Amino acid sequence: QKEVEQDPGPLSVPEGAIVSLNCTYSNSAFQYFMWYRQYSRKGPELLMYTYSSGNKEDGRFTAQVDKSSKYISLFIRDSQPSDSATYLCAGSGYSSASKIIFGSGTRLSIRP
Amino acid sequence: DAGITQSPRYKITETGRQVTLMCHQTWSHSYMFWYRQDLGHGLRLIYYSAAADITDKGEVPDGYVVSRSKTENFPLTLESATRSQTSVYFCASSSPAGGYEQYFGPGTRLTVT
Repeated sequence: QKEVEQDPGPLSVPEGAIVSLNCTYSNSAFQYFMWYRQYSRKGPELLMYTYSSGNKEDGRFTAQVDKSSKYISLFIRDSQPSDSATYLCAGSGYSSASKIIFGSGTRLSIRP
Repeated sequence: DAGITQSPRYKITETGRQVTLMCHQTWSHSYMFWYRQDLGHGLRLIYYSAAADITDKGEVPDGYVVSRSKTENFPLTLESATRSQTSVYFCASSSPAGGYEQYFGPGTRLTVT
C-alpha cells in the first residue's frame, strides 16, 4: 500500500467550476500536508501547505486535512484555464529531516 | 542564475553506459534530493543529502550513485544505465527550517535505448 494515494484522473471541468481534489494517506506520523502543482514539462512547485488538521485558504484555493480519517483535499473555486496542471498531494513528518512522500498526482484540465 | 538548475535537460544514452546528471543550487540549502517521476508512480526518492559529504538512500537507490563534495552541487550517476531507468529526473533542495517546501529543478528527461 502506498503511503499517499491519489486518483490519477484525468479530471476535466469547465471554466468557473469548483474543483475538488482528494488524497488519502496511511502514515500517522505525518504532520505537514502539502499540495504541489506541476505544469507540463516543469518541476513541481509548492502551492499550499497545512500543519496538522484544519483548513487553510489562499485566494481561490482551500486546503483541508482531516487527520481522523486521513483525508487530504484541495478545493479550487472559480477555476481558470491557467489552473490546468498536475496536482500532487504530499505528507511529511514534523522534523525538518523528514522526507516528503508524494502521491502520484491528479491531472486537471480546465476547459475554456 | 539564481535558483536550482539541472543539466542536461534531455539525454539519450545506450544500455550499459555511465551517465551523470548534474544539479546546482544557489540558495545554500543544506538538503538536496533526487527523484524520478514515472507514470503511475509519481515522484520517488532516489537519494538525498542533509549536507556536504552526507548522503542517504531513498526509496529506489539501486543502480544510482551520488556524491556531494560542495553544498551547491549534487550529481547523480547511473553506473550502467538500464532501460528501466528511462524516466524524468528531478533535483530538489530545501532548508532545514522549511522541510515541507522543496524547490525543484526543471528536470532531466533521460531515455535509455
